[in-house]
Amino acid sequence: QQQVKQSPQSLIVQKGGISIINCAYENTAFDYFPWYQQFPGKGPALLIAIRPDVSEKKEGRFTISFNKSAKQFSLHIMDSQPGDSATYFCAASKGETSGSRLTFGEGTQLTVNP
Amino acid sequence: DGGITQSPKYLFRKEGQNVTLSCEQNLNHDAMYWYRQDPGQGLRLIYYSQIVNDFQKGDIAEGYSVSREKKESFPLTVTSAQKNPTAFYLCATKIQGPNTEAFFGQGTRLTVV
Repeated sequence: QQQVKQSPQSLIVQKGGISIINCAYENTAFDYFPWYQQFPGKGPALLIAIRPDVSEKKEGRFTISFNKSAKQFSLHIMDSQPGDSATYFCAASKGETSGSRLTFGEGTQLTVNP
Repeated sequence: DGGITQSPKYLFRKEGQNVTLSCEQNLNHDAMYWYRQDPGQGLRLIYYSQIVNDFQKGDIAEGYSVSREKKESFPLTVTSAQKNPTAFYLCATKIQGPNTEAFFGQGTRLTVV
């Protein structure tokens, strides 16, 4: 079963525009929500992460917004650049002792046109 | 040079054949993971291991096997029982404990021929 739902599946944005990717989760025990960025043929790399005790976290052009009551979180990429073209995955995990396994969303393929 | 090394980068398997994917790390991380990536399905967990000589099934373990004889190594065997093995396989490691970053290898692309 998919515990983290991600949308859209693909997104095309013009250079300088805002890219927005949304995720929704089911398990209220999740307490860590990272976003990963993956370029073709490479492994994903951590982009930014948030815990549910804050509603927003910003790092440069990347912002996570978190809505605990709606069980949703989103990634905003401001001033999108062609170099941001990649696949983005949201994920969630719970702070348990059994490995803190990450559950991933389906991924969003972002294309930023020059 | 620290990191995670997956090999080979490309692997071709004939029907009915077992193949083993290698994952080696020198990050001194306790936890290691194997994910399978298919288009439109995200990353799905196959197996994970928190300590040497111990591992647990993930969400799609059927047709796969692993071992963890050394902290640095977590090989994945794709057996002939896995009916649809063509995919991109990713190995990851984490420091033990909650809310820590997962580091990924460069992946192995397995194709059935």
